Amino acid sequence: GAGVSQSPSNKVTEKGKDVELRCDPISGHTALYWYRQRLGQGLEFLIYFQGNSAPDKSGLPSDRFSAERTGESVSTLTIQRTQQEDSAVYLCASSLRVEGLAGAETQYFGPGTRLLVL
Amino acid sequence: AQKITQTQPGMFVQEKEAVTLDCTYDTSDPSYGLFWYKQPSSGEMIFLIYQGSYDQQNATEGRYSLNFQKARKSANLVISASQLGDSAMYFCAMSDPGGTSYGKLTFGQGTILTVHP
Repeated sequence: GAGVSQSPSNKVTEKGKDVELRCDPISGHTALYWYRQRLGQGLEFLIYFQGNSAPDKSGLPSDRFSAERTGESVSTLTIQRTQQEDSAVYLCASSLRVEGLAGAETQYFGPGTRLLVL
Repeated sequence: AQKITQTQPGMFVQEKEAVTLDCTYDTSDPSYGLFWYKQPSSGEMIFLIYQGSYDQQNATEGRYSLNFQKARKSANLVISASQLGDSAMYFCAMSDPGGTSYGKLTFGQGTILTVHP
């Protein structure tokens, strides 16, 4: 079956412009996560969606960042008024939440979107 | 707050030898999960192995095993019989099932493994 897909794979933008990144999770996966990976660093959690519950936005670095997800389908991460420090790889992951296996679900990652803000 | 520490920025190993990648963690939660992911130069994150905090035995997946020492809060990855294709960045991560973000992962800084022929 298809894995997690993300688009675009690369995005170059000018400082101050808005960008929208898209994630298609694995079909049937109820949980969806966005992470950011700066060059040579580990991944930083940004936001989490679980079904129709309110998302956990605790990792979003500023109010310029927002994300949406409709049901258990596609998610979009929007960065407004981009800054050079937003340059990073943005990774999306999905998992299937299983009752009784809290925290044990494997997250499957997409290939990421490489964002460069000039 | 949870924290993952990987103290080895880079490691070198000879092909066919075994190598251990270190990972220590800090959490006040009694229930947590520990993961290892591999990230080749192409950038994708590949799941390798999982260990639950209540698991009695160390996890194994093919050539990968996790040396879980709960009292020391360490979860080292052991790769046996290294192959050239194992050269990559390796990340240790912890889940937070008791937190608001359920399975959100906290990652370490990673270790770059280079396998020499």
